[in-house]
Amino acid sequence: DAKTTQPPSMDCAEGRAANLPCNHSTISGNEYVYWYRQIHSQGPQYIIHGLKNNETNEMASLIITEDRKSSTLILPHATLRDTAVYYCIVRVAYNNNDMRFGAGTRLTVKP
Amino acid sequence: DAGITQSPRHKVTETGTPVTLRCHQTENHRYMYWYRQDPGHGLRLIHYSYGVKDTDKGEVSDGYSVSRSKTEDFLLTLESATSSQTSVYFCAISVSNEKLFFGSGTQLSVL
Repeated sequence: DAKTTQPPSMDCAEGRAANLPCNHSTISGNEYVYWYRQIHSQGPQYIIHGLKNNETNEMASLIITEDRKSSTLILPHATLRDTAVYYCIVRVAYNNNDMRFGAGTRLTVKP
Repeated sequence: DAGITQSPRHKVTETGTPVTLRCHQTENHRYMYWYRQDPGHGLRLIHYSYGVKDTDKGEVSDGYSVSRSKTEDFLLTLESATSSQTSVYFCAISVSNEKLFFGSGTQLSVL
């Protein structure tokens, strides 16, 4: 019972912005949107999270639509090292026990 | 890397033998988690701990037990390993009840 839908794969040119979409049409009012990524066989890495406002940190920006049914993770200047599987997850605040990692989007950054 | 160390990094064992995986953290975080990752299933929560001697089951806990006698160590035990438990195991800690930080993983092969 996946709470999110992501495209299985995407390509991006090095130096360009990578825009990764996520649909979460059944999101509840108390659920946050989280993004993680997993580079090759490493452990997943936290990127960013948000509730309803757009968020930005040193790694990425998160744009959440006004109805909160979808979001976009933006890597402003993708590099080859950003090649990874990106996971979009929704979860209730302060409940890491309910973090469900789906299949994610495999982003390939090409030179 | 939030001071998480998993050991061993790789292990090959035989069906029916006991196996213990160790997760060690250096920052006294309360919540710790064990996940397994398999092709086609993504990351799935096995067990988690919310304090010393306080643990609970996750999505795929059958065949696994855990113990946490000290804040810094969270052990995952396979009492009698089976081939279906061949997987990559990740430990994670929760920081500020918001973000998960993952270890580098343990590749376990049960022959």
